[in-house]
Amino acid sequence: QKEVEQDPGPLSVPEGAIVSLNCTYSNSAFQYFMWYRQYSRKGPELLMYTYSSGNKEDGRFTAQVDKSSKYISLFIRDSQPSDSATYLCAMSSGGGNKLTFGTGTQLKVEL
Amino acid sequence: GAVVSQHPSWVICKSGTSVKIECRSLDFQATTMFWYRQFPKQSLMLMATSNEGSKATYEQGVEKDKFLINHASLTLSTLTVTSAHPEDSSFYICSATSGTADTQYFGPGTRLTVL
Repeated sequence: QKEVEQDPGPLSVPEGAIVSLNCTYSNSAFQYFMWYRQYSRKGPELLMYTYSSGNKEDGRFTAQVDKSSKYISLFIRDSQPSDSATYLCAMSSGGGNKLTFGTGTQLKVEL
Repeated sequence: GAVVSQHPSWVICKSGTSVKIECRSLDFQATTMFWYRQFPKQSLMLMATSNEGSKATYEQGVEKDKFLINHASLTLSTLTVTSAHPEDSSFYICSATSGTADTQYFGPGTRLTVL
């Protein structure tokens, strides 16, 4: 079993839809949770960074962490074609430790 | 803020030659830099972790003599692929962190093609 599980998709939604992306994990030591967006042939771009459980909102993006269920989510409201990319969840136990990534979910927002 | 650059963005070389890729943190001091490779439609695979002024720590299965890493300063790390072969063709991405921060900031990546 992988430490971090993420549905690879592809996920196709119409423009304006609310998108829900999720990851589950098995390592209870993970404390820091991140979502990255990666366009084709580009490096990952940090979208959201969350410590421990709770919600964090930034514009159209909301990140949720439920440590009791070992489950994290990223919601995208009013999705746009420019949101079409691969979304990677990542997490670490802290102290500058290396990140553990999900496999990434490919999202396509269609006109 | 937190901008990381890589050079070159793409490179084509002949089999048997060596290729150097640079990773720079432009607006912060990177105490730790990471090197990843990524195959098409796959996630990032960590190759090594480098700290300024010390030897890199390589992940299991990564040949340290083939992938030479030098973290010469707080803003520069280099990855040299020695005696490159076609199977080394991949997308190489670096990232950087500052202090004990857990957030990694990624460079734009370097696409290496070995003929």
